[in-house]
Amino acid sequence: QVQLVQSGAEVKKPGASVKVSCKVSGYTLTELSMHWVRQAPGKGLEWMGGFDPEDGETIYAQKFQGRVTMTEDTSTDTAYMELSSLRSEDTAVYYCATGTNWNDRYYYYYMDVWGKGTTVTVSS
Amino acid sequence: SYELTQPLSVSVALGQTARITCGGNNIGSKNVHWYQQKPGQAPVLVIYRDSNRPSGIPERFSGSNSGNTATLTISRAQAGDEADYYCQVWDSSTYVFGTGTKVTVL
Repeated sequence: QVQLVQSGAEVKKPGASVKVSCKVSGYTLTELSMHWVRQAPGKGLEWMGGFDPEDGETIYAQKFQGRVTMTEDTSTDTAYMELSSLRSEDTAVYYCATGTNWNDRYYYYYMDVWGKGTTVTVSS
Repeated sequence: SYELTQPLSVSVALGQTARITCGGNNIGSKNVHWYQQKPGQAPVLVIYRDSNRPSGIPERFSGSNSGNTATLTISRAQAGDEADYYCQVWDSSTYVFGTGTKVTVL
C-alpha cells in the first residue's frame, strides 16, 4: 500500500522560496505519477503540476510556470515541490497525490492516494 | 481553459438522496472523478471515471455523466457524508478541479 509522508509546516517571508517534500513508502517513486495540489484557506483544490499522461513528463499549470519546480530523488523515493517568489496569496496547504489504481488502465488521470498536506504560511 | 462549475452548497435530510452536479462544456465526453474532503483532512477519491467506486467506498455513492453535466449521487445520506465534494477532469494537459460543493446533512 502506497503512503505519502510530507514535510512539516513552513513559515516564509514574501519573496522567499519554499521546498516541500513528499516521501513515498510501500512502493518506488519511479512507478508513480506524482502531482501537487494546493488549497488556500477556505478555498478549493488547485492543481499545480505533475505527471503528464500523454508524454510521461512533468507539466506545470500555466499559473505557476516560471515559479514552480517539481523534482524527484529516486535514491530516497522523495518528491519535491519548490515554489519561489512567494506572496501572501501562496499561503495554503500543499498536497502531494498520486494514482495507484493499477487495475484501471487510466489510473494516472486521477489521484487515489494523498499526503496529509503541508501548511505553508507567507507572512512578513 | 476548461472550467467546471458546481453548486456552492447542497442540503440533504438524513437518510435521503443528495445529488451534486458538475457542469462543463461537453463534459460527457470526458472522464470525471469525484473527491470527498472533510475539514482538516486530505481529499479522498469516491468515484473515478464517471461511475466507478474505489474499494472501501460505500455503494451509496454513485456517479453519472452525460451532455454538459456530471452528477455525484449520495443515497441514504448519513451524518458522516457531510463534507466538501470536488469533481475533476483532465483536459488539454491540465488536471482541472471543480469549484467544490459543501454538503450538509440535516
